[in-house]
Amino acid sequence: EAGVTQFPSHSVIEKGQTVTLRCDPISGHDNLYWYRRVMGKEIKFLLHFVKESKQDESGMPNNRFLAERTGGTYSTLKVQPAELEDSGVYFCASSQIGAGNSPLHFGNGTRLTVT
Amino acid sequence: AQRVTQPEKLLSVFKGAPVELKCNYSYSGSPELFWYVQYSRQRLQLLLRHISRESIKGFTADLNKGETSFHLKKPFAQEEDSAMYYCAQKYPNSGYALNFGKGTSLLVTP
Repeated sequence: EAGVTQFPSHSVIEKGQTVTLRCDPISGHDNLYWYRRVMGKEIKFLLHFVKESKQDESGMPNNRFLAERTGGTYSTLKVQPAELEDSGVYFCASSQIGAGNSPLHFGNGTRLTVT
Repeated sequence: AQRVTQPEKLLSVFKGAPVELKCNYSYSGSPELFWYVQYSRQRLQLLLRHISRESIKGFTADLNKGETSFHLKKPFAQEEDSAMYYCAQKYPNSGYALNFGKGTSLLVTP
């Protein structure tokens, strides 16, 4: 099966610009998560979708971040306007619905650099 | 806030030596704990979880509630074990979101 795919793999933008990250989960996985690792810090949870609904967005840093998952398939994470502290690696993960023991399947991540 | 601590940033051992990657958590209830691994140029993947009480690639991890620890162990390290290891805890009462430690880079040298 195809794994979780993320696009782009690397993005370099200037402060103030907008960037949109995309995640395609494994087909049939209703749970979709966004995580972020800022340099030198832990991988932090951002938010969790169940199908198209936001189940938990407690980890979103501020209102410059907007995540969507229209149709319950792929998801986008938009940062507008980007700030220097947004630099890091953004991971997407998916898992099956209702499967409490189902492991998270991670994508390769998108490395965002804001200059 | 719940916190997962991995005190070692880097751990270097010789091939064949025992290895222990430390992980401590702060949640006082009944945690669900995991170890994830990221090999070079690969994606983050699940290594093992405490509820399964399994051994994967020779690794085991025992939950010690008294010490609030979930250390990862392997009696004889192999070069292919070199990778980044992350301890993670599932947020209580919050779906399946994970709380990760900072990770420990394991280097196994010949």
